[in-house]
Amino acid sequence: NAGVMQNPRHLVRRRGQEARLRCSPMKGHSHVYWYRQLPEEGLKFMVYLQKENIIDESGMPKERFSAEFPKEGPSILRIQQVVRGDSAAYFCASSPRISSKVNTGELFFGEGSRLTVL
Amino acid sequence: GESVGLHLPTLSVQEGDNSIINCAYSNSASDYFIWYKQESGKGPQFIIDIRSNMDKRQGQRVTVLLNKTVKHLSLQIAATQPGDSAVYFCAEILGGTALIFGKGTTLSVSS
Repeated sequence: NAGVMQNPRHLVRRRGQEARLRCSPMKGHSHVYWYRQLPEEGLKFMVYLQKENIIDESGMPKERFSAEFPKEGPSILRIQQVVRGDSAAYFCASSPRISSKVNTGELFFGEGSRLTVL
Repeated sequence: GESVGLHLPTLSVQEGDNSIINCAYSNSASDYFIWYKQESGKGPQFIIDIRSNMDKRQGQRVTVLLNKTVKHLSLQIAATQPGDSAVYFCAEILGGTALIFGKGTTLSVSS
């Protein structure tokens, strides 16, 4: 049973280019979360998606960032017109159900995609 | 500001010692907490969780203590091993949809 798969593991982009990060959740998981981690910092929540729906995007920057989780295929985090401040590790996590006060909130994380903007 | 934070950014211990990593949270309504371990270049890995109706929960070599009065959480690692060297994050559920992480404590174990 493969874990959460993220690709690419490393991505280098020049300022102004687009970055696309992909996440395939664990088999049977329909909930996906994206987090950003700056060097020496903790993880910052960005967005929570279910299949074809964005549930919570309160952590997403208002411009240039978007996320989707289509019915078929991986979840995509897209960053347009990247700037140096976008350089970070982007982690995806999946869960079989909502991380709520009722259910077990354990998330399974991928290895991350490290974006470097030159 | 962040809801969850850790007292110390780094902790150095000798192999075989017990380690205690602390975390303070500010949201008194939080009722579910998780400790994660992150090794260099990898994603966070679940260690143990605890709900607010509990004061203590034990796993294999790890114990989490929750003090709701002072909004304090701790992770105790017994007989610390070199393989325990990593960054440890405490996290809480807020609003039922996301984990909020503190900045992490780097645990260094020397032989």
